[in-house]
Amino acid sequence: DTEVTQTPKHLVMGMTNKKSLKCEQHMGHRAMYWYKQKAKKPPELMFVYSYEKLSINESVPSRFSPECPNSSLLNLHLHALQPEDSALYLCASSHTSSSYEQYFGPGTRLTVT
Amino acid sequence: AQSVTQPDIHITVSEGASLELRCNYSYGATPYLFWYVQSPGQGLQLLLKYFSGDTLVQGIKGFEAEFKRSQSSFNLRKPSVHWSDAAEYFCAVHNTDKLIFGTGTRLQVFP
Repeated sequence: DTEVTQTPKHLVMGMTNKKSLKCEQHMGHRAMYWYKQKAKKPPELMFVYSYEKLSINESVPSRFSPECPNSSLLNLHLHALQPEDSALYLCASSHTSSSYEQYFGPGTRLTVT
Repeated sequence: AQSVTQPDIHITVSEGASLELRCNYSYGATPYLFWYVQSPGQGLQLLLKYFSGDTLVQGIKGFEAEFKRSQSSFNLRKPSVHWSDAAEYFCAVHNTDKLIFGTGTRLQVFP
C-alpha cells in the first residue's frame, strides 16, 4: 500500500468554525508533512512531524494546529480561519524526515467563507 | 540559499510531439532532485528522482530526465506527448528535511 489518504476532499467553513483535516498512511513512514497550496503556486511547507514529534513549523499562524496521534495519522485542526486561508491542503509522508521521497495525498480543498 | 527555477510558466505542445521541461537548481552539494506532476485539483505524483549514479533517469509514464552538473540542470523529457500528460509539473530539490519546489510549468496539449 503506497497510498496517503486525506479526508474530507472538500471543506467549506465559516470564519468562526472549528474543523479538522485528517491524513492517514499505512506505509510505516515515520515522517509526515502538511503543505498549503494556493492556485497556480507550488506547495508551501507548513509542518513536519518526525517520529510523532513536531520537528518543523514554518512560522504558521496559531489558527492552524497540527496533531500526530500516532505514526499513521496526522491531523490539522482549524479555528478562526480567514478567507485567505482558502487553499488546497496536502499531506505527505516519507520513511523518515531525512528520506528524500515524499508521497502525497490527494489533498483537501478548503474554502473559508 | 538553495533554490529551484523553472523558466517556463506555460508550455503548449501538440499531441505526439516531443517535450522538454527545464529545471535549474542552486545547491552547494550533490542535489537530490525530483519531478512531480499534478493534475488539476489533485495531489502530487512522483515522476522520477535523481540521487546519484547514472545521470539519465527513467520515470513513470514514459518520462526521463537528465542531470547535468555543469549546467545545474535537471530537465524532464518525453519523446511523444499524450493528451493525458496535460498537467502542472514541479521540479524539486531536497534540502534538510524539506522539499524546495520550483514555481511549476503548466503543460497544455493540443490534439
